[in-house]
Amino acid sequence: DQQVKQNSPSLSVQEGRISILNCDYTNSMFDYFLWYKKYPAEGPTFLISISSIKDKNEDGRFTVFLNKSAKHLSLHIVPSQPGDSAVYFCAASAGVEGNKLVFGAGTILRVKS
Amino acid sequence: DTEVTQTPKHLVMGMTNKKSLKCEQHMGHRAMYWYKQKAKKPPELMFVYSYEKLSINESVPSRFSPECPNSSLLNLHLHALQPEDSALYLCASTYRDRGVNGELFFGEGSRLTVL
Repeated sequence: DQQVKQNSPSLSVQEGRISILNCDYTNSMFDYFLWYKKYPAEGPTFLISISSIKDKNEDGRFTVFLNKSAKHLSLHIVPSQPGDSAVYFCAASAGVEGNKLVFGAGTILRVKS
Repeated sequence: DTEVTQTPKHLVMGMTNKKSLKCEQHMGHRAMYWYKQKAKKPPELMFVYSYEKLSINESVPSRFSPECPNSSLLNLHLHALQPEDSALYLCASTYRDRGVNGELFFGEGSRLTVL
């Protein structure tokens, strides 16, 4: 039973346009959400996070939106660049379990130039 | 230094072999993790060490044996593995395992193939 779901295995976007990656979760105890980016042959690297007390967090070209009632979050990348092409993992944790992250299956983003 | 270093990067072993994966960090992190990732699947948590003590074991088979010799090192000892244990093994660390939400810092992983 996957508690964190990324239903789109892949996404292809033109350079300069917006990339929107989606993530759904089922565990209502999750209160902290993170996005990781992974290039081939490298470990995942942290991108951006959001606490459940917020509904938006922005860092440069990256914005994460959280809709707690829908148990849904999304990552927006504007403008998309070819270097953004990677696998993006959504992850979540519950405060009582600290940094025990539960990951989604990932979405492969391809940004075409 | 914000690196988590894993060795070896690639390992091929037979089902009767004994081998170890190693992980090292010098960021002063007190929580260290082993994750297992199969192709096209999310990383799955195996073990968490907090202040050098095993705090979480996600019902991992005993053929995987973790060890935390000190606050900077984490090992995963492998014995009598099965071909289905072939995967990418990721080590990660963070400041501590609870009380502070923060990102995990991951190593590049050790790609294990069991023949």
